[in-house]
Amino acid sequence: NAGVTQTPKFQVLKTGQSMTLQCAQDMNHEYMSWYRQDPGMGLRLIHYSVGAGITDQGEVPNGYNVSRSTTEDFPLRLLSAAPSQTSVYFCASKPLDRGLRETQYFGPGTRLLVL
Amino acid sequence: RKEVEQDPGPFNVPEGATVAFNCTYSNSASQSFFWYRQDCRKEPKLLMSVYSSGNEDGRFTAQLNRASQYISLLIRDSKLSDSATYLCVVNAPNQAGTALIFGKGTTLSVSS
Repeated sequence: NAGVTQTPKFQVLKTGQSMTLQCAQDMNHEYMSWYRQDPGMGLRLIHYSVGAGITDQGEVPNGYNVSRSTTEDFPLRLLSAAPSQTSVYFCASKPLDRGLRETQYFGPGTRLLVL
Repeated sequence: RKEVEQDPGPFNVPEGATVAFNCTYSNSASQSFFWYRQDCRKEPKLLMSVYSSGNEDGRFTAQLNRASQYISLLIRDSKLSDSATYLCVVNAPNQAGTALIFGKGTTLSVSS
């Protein structure tokens, strides 16, 4: 298993450009999520999905769109990049567990710089 | 009150020392608790889950006090390789019970 993969690893954008951060997992996990990590702020949840066709907002969703057309993929879209979106982005997945014991597996992250 | 708060750190300790990290959470309905480890410029990885009865994994011991909404992590006989940031994590019951809320992390530096 490759686990959770993210592309690209690094990206530089100009203000106003759009791009999509890719995330894929091969563990058949129902739950997938996107976080951003900024110095002094910790990891903050952007969007999450509990299965194909179902997405919901996290703590900091503004400026980001997501979709979940398949179990494996959960892309994050920046429609018009802003310098405030400069961050490290982590995708994560886990099985849905009603007992809430399952923890998340993280991808290696995408480092985004918006100029 | 922030949802998950941790000791600010950094903790600088010599090899062999015992060090303890504390964490408090605000949502009394939270049911799942974890400690993650994050190395510099890497993704977070699960260190251990935290159970009500407390649990131990080698040199690491985690404790949960639901009444005080308090979680701890004890590291005995610190190794150089323990140097990392330790993240306290709880689930967020108001978000379908599946989302995880992360503390800002406590940095540990173990020196020889």
